[in-house]
Amino acid sequence: DADVTQTPRNRITKTGKRIMLECSQTKGHDRMYWYRQDPGLGLRLIYYSFDVKDINKGEISDGYSVSRQAQAKFSLSLESAIPNQTALYFCATSAGGRPGGELFFGEGSRLTVL
Amino acid sequence: KNEVEQSPQNLTAQEGEFITINCSYSVGISALHWLQQHPGGGIVSLFMLSSGKKKHGRLIATINIQEKHSSLHITASHPRDSAVYICAVSRSGGSNYKLTFGKGTLLTVNP
Repeated sequence: DADVTQTPRNRITKTGKRIMLECSQTKGHDRMYWYRQDPGLGLRLIYYSFDVKDINKGEISDGYSVSRQAQAKFSLSLESAIPNQTALYFCATSAGGRPGGELFFGEGSRLTVL
Repeated sequence: KNEVEQSPQNLTAQEGEFITINCSYSVGISALHWLQQHPGGGIVSLFMLSSGKKKHGRLIATINIQEKHSSLHITASHPRDSAVYICAVSRSGGSNYKLTFGKGTLLTVNP
């Protein structure tokens, strides 16, 4: 099994629908992240969490919310999806305490909003 | 100007060639990461380094902190090395969780 698992891997939805992307990890890491990848723009940080009670906005959090249900689970929600949220979304984890600890990524969730 | 710049953006090579991808950055860092992303696939961390040089198989990563520059080398390239290679830096100090990413280098290795 993968260290970081994302579901669903692909999702097509309509404008206005609520969408949840889920992420679970078996690395035992405290830090979890949600990134968005768009062609030509690279990866951008949406939200990050250092533990269950510590959740922070990244550089592009508008239109998104997250929930850290447990150390191993971090979900990203789009309350009312819009077409410019069409992108490839990645969950990642890292260990804390080291300078910029190595990142472990999930396989990605491709979201298309029509 | 982007804080992390990669060159080239695209690179095509023949199998067996020596490949170099460059990364320059303009901020203080605690570490630099090289990541690999295959088409349609996830992202894999290749190296994390804060000084000197690291080697893993046919891949070598170097960093020059004074010049704010890193290189990723692939020796004896193979078609399976075809992927996007992404450079990312962890900021120094209290923001070390925050990664700034380059836009990636698309490598195609032809048989």
